[in-house]
Amino acid sequence: AQKITQTQPGMFVQEKEAVTLDCTYDTSDPSYGLFWYKQPSSGEMIFLIYQGSYDQQNATEGRYSLNFQKARKSANLVISASQLGDSAMYFCAMSPISYSGGYQKVTFGTGTKLQVIP
Amino acid sequence: GAVVSQHPSWVICKSGTSVKIECRSLDFQATTMFWYRQFPKQSLMLMATSNEGSKATYEQGVEKDKFLINHASLTLSTLTVTSAHPEDSSFYICSARNRSTNYYEQYFGPGTRLTVT
Repeated sequence: AQKITQTQPGMFVQEKEAVTLDCTYDTSDPSYGLFWYKQPSSGEMIFLIYQGSYDQQNATEGRYSLNFQKARKSANLVISASQLGDSAMYFCAMSPISYSGGYQKVTFGTGTKLQVIP
Repeated sequence: GAVVSQHPSWVICKSGTSVKIECRSLDFQATTMFWYRQFPKQSLMLMATSNEGSKATYEQGVEKDKFLINHASLTLSTLTVTSAHPEDSSFYICSARNRSTNYYEQYFGPGTRLTVT
């Protein structure tokens, strides 16, 4: 079984500052993937970043970086230089990896609502 | 990029009627599509996994006879909410995996907001 925990229901950050959204996980799968999605008020889910459990380096995508600490089972999202458009719900998610390419279920956390203050 | 569409984007129906929601992958073939449900201010809960040409796999607690899923082609999956009740009012989101790209990527549709009166 997999479990994702996001302990911050809401966060505020000043525009242009960096912010870290926490995510811890629990799984018995030897290989897995970790994701972060952004959901604005419109409802669409926007993929932000992916980290494989086997990856040696932390993933980065533009202003997004994933602080992956495998021993601590944490996968925090860091957003640098926050913008007003970053205000949204952010979901951490994980999925076991099947090297045969088969589908594996994705489990989502409860989300963190980020508000960027001008 | 990979685009997934959903139709309709919102629907209001009367209690007891059925509603069909379509999920289409517009520019790729999706071997697997997933249906999620999201209540206000809550997370996404996976309802079922839909594989092209086979029966959907439902998550525990999801009624198969109430939420009918059909994945007739590599680009289309449908969710039919039968005999809808007000408690079925929710935001339904589909996603799809692209069979020819990264195995971990899911592409989400824009969602369908269902209100049952």
